[in-house]
Amino acid sequence: GPKVLQIPSHQIIDMGQMVTLNCDPVSNHLYFYWYKQILGQQMEFLVNFYNGKVMEKSKLFKDQFSVERPDGSYFTLKIQPTALEDSAVYFCASSLQGISNERLFFGHGTKLSVL
Amino acid sequence: AQRVTQVQPTGSSQWGEEVTLDCSYETSEYFYRIFWYRQLFSGEMVFLIYQPSFDTQNQRSGRYSVVFQKSFKSISLVISASQPEDSGTYFCALSELGGYKLTFGTGTSLLVDP
Repeated sequence: GPKVLQIPSHQIIDMGQMVTLNCDPVSNHLYFYWYKQILGQQMEFLVNFYNGKVMEKSKLFKDQFSVERPDGSYFTLKIQPTALEDSAVYFCASSLQGISNERLFFGHGTKLSVL
Repeated sequence: AQRVTQVQPTGSSQWGEEVTLDCSYETSEYFYRIFWYRQLFSGEMVFLIYQPSFDTQNQRSGRYSVVFQKSFKSISLVISASQPEDSGTYFCALSELGGYKLTFGTGTSLLVDP
């Protein structure tokens, strides 16, 4: 079936540095999402992105976070600067329509370790 | 406010048994959907089934079905003829009509013994 690819699978970074997580969504999908999962806990919504704009974001989407998808390339999550509490697995997802209408396709996740 | 609760942190069954995983939720919206996903040990999230709030009929998809009790804001996932490959963590998630996010429960980790 359709696949969402995330690069890299694991990123280790020093606190205060910048990190960019990359996502290659399903090719014809229009809505893109980032979720955060701390080990052993549930997945929590960060942000939804459509037509070049953030449609909805949660309290977890701090000012240090930003998303973009320049010219149909990777959908990225940038954290600058990183903090220890940003350590988690970040999941990218995509859908053709908005979430209320259909399922999301998730990537395998990028494990971010902030030291 | 949206909230999803899964009170069973773990579950187990024997090969071939039917398994029921419970979920309750809170929403003030009339139109919403409840999704069930399974997270594999690799981390991948696999979609299983969803139930729209306006449909009184319990949804079925292969070996998966749900028992939807709208008045109690409760929904259970039923896995028939469970297999060891069904082992993993099962998440219930809520989306409200017009919204852009899924609110997940804390998950139930299922182990099916061979």
